[in-house]
Amino acid sequence: DGGITQSPKYLFRKEGQNVTLSCEQNLNHDAMYWYRQDPGQGLRLIYYSQIVNDFQKGDIAEGYSVSREKKESFPLTVTSAQKNPTAFYLCASTTTERTGEKLFFGSGTQLSVL
Amino acid sequence: SQQGEEDPQALSIQEGENATMNCSYKTSINNLQWYRQNSGRGLVHLILIRSNEREKHSGRLRVTLDTSKKSSSLLITASRAADTASYFCATEESGANNLFFGTGTRLTVIP
Repeated sequence: DGGITQSPKYLFRKEGQNVTLSCEQNLNHDAMYWYRQDPGQGLRLIYYSQIVNDFQKGDIAEGYSVSREKKESFPLTVTSAQKNPTAFYLCASTTTERTGEKLFFGSGTQLSVL
Repeated sequence: SQQGEEDPQALSIQEGENATMNCSYKTSINNLQWYRQNSGRGLVHLILIRSNEREKHSGRLRVTLDTSKKSSSLLITASRAADTASYFCATEESGANNLFFGTGTRLTVIP
């Protein structure tokens, strides 16, 4: 089945630790996105990539890093510089380089701080 | 950047009733989309309406768009318990390169 796979579903981070969230898609989509969702708030864009080896910062990129070495994969690293990392992280992709079209979402990763 | 505002924040109705939720935004848009999210899950795309469209239907869903008032509404007719979820609007601003999501409406349909 085609889709977007995020792993792990739950992740715990210790103080000062970097953690990496995985996002893989087999939909042959060009564009991929990372969003952060906090309770009572909408989704906020962290980073997005429209093509391999290229990515742009979203509204809340500080404390996060990404890579796009393969079309299928767009991992997100939450660094120790992100002081409030507890949130639900969602990865999404779409069929065209032009954003604003229908997004396909993964099932999310809940990150918590120990 | 702008973010849409949904209204109401929460809505509770009986099964079989209609549910209406509204979305307001601030700047010119190319299109507006509605998504659904079950608790602890990813979002699922429901419907997209372009700025030159005023109304769109998909099954039990009806979406309207009023660009002069910068607002949209989502109507779910003959609601079912399975419609219980959070619903988000998302807008693509003119000239922007991504979607901006609202804060969502939490819908509870009581069997």
